[in-house]
Formats: sequence, structure tokens, C-alpha cells
Amino acid sequence: EAQVTQNPRYLITVTGKKLTVTCSQNMNHEYMSWYRQDPGLGLRQIYYSMNVEVTDKGDVPEGYKVSRKEKRNFPLILESPSPNQTSLYFCASTIDRTYEQYFGPGTRLTVT
Amino acid sequence: RKEVEQDPGPFNVPEGATVAFNCTYSNSASQSFFWYRQDCRKEPKLLMSVYSSGNEDGRFTAQLNRASQYISLLIRDSKLSDSATYLCVVTVTGKLIFGQGTTLQVKP
Repeated sequence: EAQVTQNPRYLITVTGKKLTVTCSQNMNHEYMSWYRQDPGLGLRQIYYSMNVEVTDKGDVPEGYKVSRKEKRNFPLILESPSPNQTSLYFCASTIDRTYEQYFGPGTRLTVT
Repeated sequence: RKEVEQDPGPFNVPEGATVAFNCTYSNSASQSFFWYRQDCRKEPKLLMSVYSSGNEDGRFTAQLNRASQYISLLIRDSKLSDSATYLCVVTVTGKLIFGQGTTLQVKP
């Protein structure tokens, strides 16, 4: 089954404790991205990657890191989480940026 | 001004009603247009792409007006299962920009 998986689905953590949210797709898509969704603000892109070892900043990259060592995986790293990073996070992949995006199920992160 | 604007609603309609959503975008260089559906904070899923000539998929019709820079979605004969948030999405130089979504509640 074609899918994008994210882990964990829910996470409560404390300020400053490094965390990683994993994202994996099995569709051989070259383009992957991370979004955060906040009430009243819609989905905002954090980082994207057009291929292995190629990553770039989206609209709200501050406080986040990513890596793309393999085509299928695109982890999101929060080196020192802060409460303003409490949000719903989605990973997405697509064959091309102008085509349909396939989203993972989301990760609800709470930073206290 | 937001790059993509939608009326957040909620739109409360009875079953069987016809409802229309509009979305405006600010960048005239926008290239591709989509409507996504999102259920109750789950992942967004593509509902339909929007083409310049307009397109229809069953009860759903999408229209694009490049001159006025707006996109519309028409839902005919609303079903309870249509209750969701509808996201307008525009691509500009390959970057996807999402509207904040319009919430639809279909009541029995």
C-alpha cells in the first residue's frame, strides 16, 4: 500500500529536550516536505527536499532541522524544542511539486 | 494580506443543499490550483485539481478565474459525509501555499 508514515503520532515533551519525528514514504517520491498546522494559520511549510542530500527552507524553518540521507526518509529534528513549537506536524511526499501531495497521518507535538 | 485567503466559516447547511466556497490568491504568477479535504485534524487529501476550463467530479465542480484571481468549489446535493474542512492550495514557483481552510458542517 502506498503511504507516508510518521512516528510518533503523539508526543509530549519538555522545553529543550531534543526530539526527532521520523517520516518515511514507499512511493519512490523525490520531493518531500514538512508542514506545521496551527489554528487560523493553515499549513505552513517548514522544510522541503527535492532529492537525496538536497534540502531547503520553507516559510517557518527557525528551530528545526532536517536531513535526507535516503530517498524514502525525511526526519524532522527539533534540537531544543520550545512551547511555540507545539503544533500538528505533517510530512508529505510527491512525485513533483505541482502534483498531488500525499500526507502522513500527522504528529501532534506538545512542548511544556 | 495572506497569499491565499478563504472564509473560515463554518458553513452550516442541511443535507441536499448546494454550497459554494471561494478562495482568492494574491500572486498572479500562481501556476497550479487544488482543493484538498481535511477531516477533523487528520491528514489533508486531494479532492480535485482546478483547471482553467473548470472541471467537475461527480457532485463537485471547481472553477478558476485567473483575471480575478479566485478559485471556487461547488458542492451539490450535500451529504453528511461532506462535513470537513476544505483547503484551497496554490503553487507559486513550485511552492505550495495553503489557505487556512473553510469548514463545512452538513446537518440532517
